[in-house]
Amino acid sequence: AQTVTQSQPEMSVQEAETVTLSCTYDTSESNYYLFWYKQPPSRQMILVIRQEAYKQQNATENRFSVNFQKAAKSFSLKISDSQLGDTAMYFCAFMKPLQEYGNKLVFGAGTILRVKS
Amino acid sequence: NAGVMQNPRHLVRRRGQEARLRCSPMKGHSHVYWYRQLPEEGLKFMVYLQKENIIDESGMPKERFSAEFPKEGPSILRIQQVVRGDSAAYFCASSRPERETQYFGPGTRLLVL
Repeated sequence: AQTVTQSQPEMSVQEAETVTLSCTYDTSESNYYLFWYKQPPSRQMILVIRQEAYKQQNATENRFSVNFQKAAKSFSLKISDSQLGDTAMYFCAFMKPLQEYGNKLVFGAGTILRVKS
Repeated sequence: NAGVMQNPRHLVRRRGQEARLRCSPMKGHSHVYWYRQLPEEGLKFMVYLQKENIIDESGMPKERFSAEFPKEGPSILRIQQVVRGDSAAYFCASSRPERETQYFGPGTRLLVL
C-alpha cells in the first residue's frame, strides 16, 4: 500500500519570505500523480499544484513550485513571496495511475503553515 | 461554473439517529469520491462511485455506512445509528472520466452529541 509522509507538523515563515514543505512517499509504481492541497481556516480543500511522475519537469503555479525527486520519492512544495493568505494546512497526496478501480487519493498527515506579518 | 456542492454544511445528530450527506459534483463530472477527516488528521478515502455504480468501497466501515450515486440527483452518504466517533468532516470530490484531478466540495461537519 502507498504511504505519504509529511515530517513537519508545523512551519512558520515571515511575509514575503520563501518556505519549503516536505513530502515523501512510498510506492512500487513507476507512474503516478502527486498533488498538494491547501486547507485554510475555512476548511475548504483547494488544489494548489499537481505533478505527473513521468514528467521530469517540476510543476509551477505562480508563487508555488515543486521539487520532484523521483528516485528519492520526494515531492516538496516551495512557496515564494509568502502572503498572509497562504496560512493554511497543506496536504501532500498520491494517486496511482488512472484505472477502472481505485482512483483514490492517499493523503499525508498535513503541515500547518503560519505566515507572520 | 459552480464547484462541487455539499449540503448541509453542518449537521448535528444525537447518538442513534441517521445522517444523510449530499454531494452534487461539478458539471461534466461523473466520478464522485467521499473522504473523511477526523479531528487533527488528514483525509481518508471512503468510497468511489460512478453513476449508479459503487466502484471502490474499500475505505467504508463495514456497518452503518452506505453510499449511492443515482442516475439523477446528488450522491448520498448515509450513516445509520450514528455514534460519537462518527463526528468528523466529510468531504466529497468529483472528477471527469479519464481525468486524475479531483476537486473538493466545502465539506459537511457532522457532530454527534
